[in-house]
Amino acid sequence: NAGVTQTPKFRVLKTGQSMTLLCAQDMNHEYMYWYRQDPGMGLRLIHYSVGEGTTAKGEVPDGYNVSRLKKQNFLLGLESAAPSQTSVYFCASSYFGSTDTQYFGPGTRLTVL
Amino acid sequence: AQKITQTQPGMFVQEKEAVTLDCTYDTSDPSYGLFWYKQPSSGEMIFLIYQGSYDQQNATEGRYSLNFQKARKSANLVISASQLGDSAMYFCAMRELRQAGTALIFGKGTTLSVSS
Repeated sequence: NAGVTQTPKFRVLKTGQSMTLLCAQDMNHEYMYWYRQDPGMGLRLIHYSVGEGTTAKGEVPDGYNVSRLKKQNFLLGLESAAPSQTSVYFCASSYFGSTDTQYFGPGTRLTVL
Repeated sequence: AQKITQTQPGMFVQEKEAVTLDCTYDTSDPSYGLFWYKQPSSGEMIFLIYQGSYDQQNATEGRYSLNFQKARKSANLVISASQLGDSAMYFCAMRELRQAGTALIFGKGTTLSVSS
């Protein structure tokens, strides 16, 4: 049982390049989330999904797209990377439930030059 | 609007002492959950403890307890008998429970340093 995994762990991009971050969970969770963490800002929600085939915008969605084609996977895409997207990206997942604890992946450190 | 405030950027404690990390919140939803996460220097986010707004008793998990004062809108984390491995960033977070699956709102975190 690996929990929540993220690929890759580190990535360096040049401005304007594109990339996709992959999140996978093996806990059969319905809900998945993408957050970014910047120094002094805490974590902020980018996009989330309440089930396979559904996505919704979070607090800071601009410049990102997501897809949830399979229940266990949640992809975060950057179509044209900008230096402002330099951050640590965390994926999380949770059951449908009242406590709904979110379990996090190990994070992806992205640098955009 | 939901908001989480952690006013202590850094806290220092000696091994075996207890420490309290402060968290205040704001929400208009009567049904909400409060969470604490630990982020060590390795970067992962580790779930510590949960308190529901309707829970009558303060939550406890081993050395962690949550001092929940609903009228004051505070949810302080108490770590008893601190250990060197407790040195990390600690985040308080909240989620309104009217709608399942909504996002956690995080505070900016408190860095805890435990010395021997």
